[in-house]
Amino acid sequence: DVKVTQSSRYLVKRTGEKVFLECVQDMDHENMFWYRQDPGLGLRLIYFSYDVKMKEKGDIPEGYSVSREKKERFSLILESASTNQTSMYLCASSFFWTSGRNEQFFGPGTRLTVL
Amino acid sequence: GENVEQHPSTLSVQEGDSAVIKCTYSDSASNYFPWYKQELGKRPQLIIDIRSNVGEKKDQRIAVTLNKTAKHFSLHITETQPEDSAVYFCAASKKGGSEKLVFGKGTKLTVNP
Repeated sequence: DVKVTQSSRYLVKRTGEKVFLECVQDMDHENMFWYRQDPGLGLRLIYFSYDVKMKEKGDIPEGYSVSREKKERFSLILESASTNQTSMYLCASSFFWTSGRNEQFFGPGTRLTVL
Repeated sequence: GENVEQHPSTLSVQEGDSAVIKCTYSDSASNYFPWYKQELGKRPQLIIDIRSNVGEKKDQRIAVTLNKTAKHFSLHITETQPEDSAVYFCAASKKGGSEKLVFGKGTKLTVNP
């Protein structure tokens, strides 16, 4: 059974703080993703990684950075949190396309509130 | 880049009726189209997907159809049940290159008993 876990379900931070969101998967997936989910806007890709130390920008990377030092772990970093980053953050992972299996498995999400 | 439009944003049906959600995509190179279901307070989960070499795929009460020429694909749910109530997201991606999915904005389906 695939498990994608996220470090926190709820997080409250203050404007200007540095915030770390962590995601861990246990299925040896090559790909990992960070999305943010806002009402009426669907799921928007922030960053993704297809290998250790590799990363690519998604559609809304501004204000975020990522780190992937180990295959199973993908971190999202808000260098200086702002109120417009209040959102639900979802991590996901999947096998590489060439495996023929492209399902993305999602974590439970982290509800981040920036005051 | 790819843009996925999804309609309607909300859909209310009576139990036992059918529900149809439609998506259009802009990039003709996209060739993988999954549908995810997100129940209230839960994570999105894949319910069905289709690749561009197939026109239709069925799995029990759900089916997806794809029209590559028109660049649109649809989710069909027959004999709806209250447990089908959820937000449904369509998505598109390209083979080879990156596996990033571009999602539609979602459809909130309510099935009334």
